[in-house]
Amino acid sequence: RKEVEQDPGPFNVPEGATVAFNCTYSNSASQSFFWYRQDCRKEPKLLMSVYSSGNEDGRFTAQLNRASQYISLLIRDSKLSDSATYLCVVSDRGSTLGRLYFGRGTQLTVWP
Amino acid sequence: DGGITQSPKYLFRKEGQNVTLSCEQNLNHDAMYWYRQDPGQGLRLIYYSQIVNDFQKGDIAEGYSVSREKKESFPLTVTSAQKNPTAFYLCASSIGRNLNYGYTFGSGTRLTVV
Repeated sequence: RKEVEQDPGPFNVPEGATVAFNCTYSNSASQSFFWYRQDCRKEPKLLMSVYSSGNEDGRFTAQLNRASQYISLLIRDSKLSDSATYLCVVSDRGSTLGRLYFGRGTQLTVWP
Repeated sequence: DGGITQSPKYLFRKEGQNVTLSCEQNLNHDAMYWYRQDPGQGLRLIYYSQIVNDFQKGDIAEGYSVSREKKESFPLTVTSAQKNPTAFYLCASSIGRNLNYGYTFGSGTRLTVV
């Protein structure tokens, strides 16, 4: 069973659309959660952390449901520049090991 | 500016050769990591190190070796025992075992076997 599961997409949406990505994780003891963005042939870059109470950064909203072990990312008013692969990332079960697990990513294309 | 530098950006290896990928950071991070990414695949952990002179195998360590003689440096050697080395290699660092801030990645090395 994979630690992190994501719908690979692709998602193709017009500019201005709202799009949502979902992710599930297998380890109930995971403590840190993130969304990373990866452009084609580039390194992943941190988009935002995900907190239990939910958090927003401009057009991006992240939610965490610990009971369901489910993470989501909502992008409002999509821009052409949002086209990328979005990686769901969770920490291992405790701070003693200190590593992150990455989903395969969800590919988003925003068209004019 | 602080960051992680990986070199070279592109690397071509002949069958049977060992090659070493460089990773240097000036973020004063304790932990460093090597991941491999194949097309359409997620990132897979090769090795990681939480402190100098100590490192642990990740999920796919066979055919790879590392060293951590300095806090700033974590080179990865891809040996001839690695059967399928063509991939995108990413080095990352974090403050330490506390992963509340996630990882910072280098820009990666693309290794191709010719």
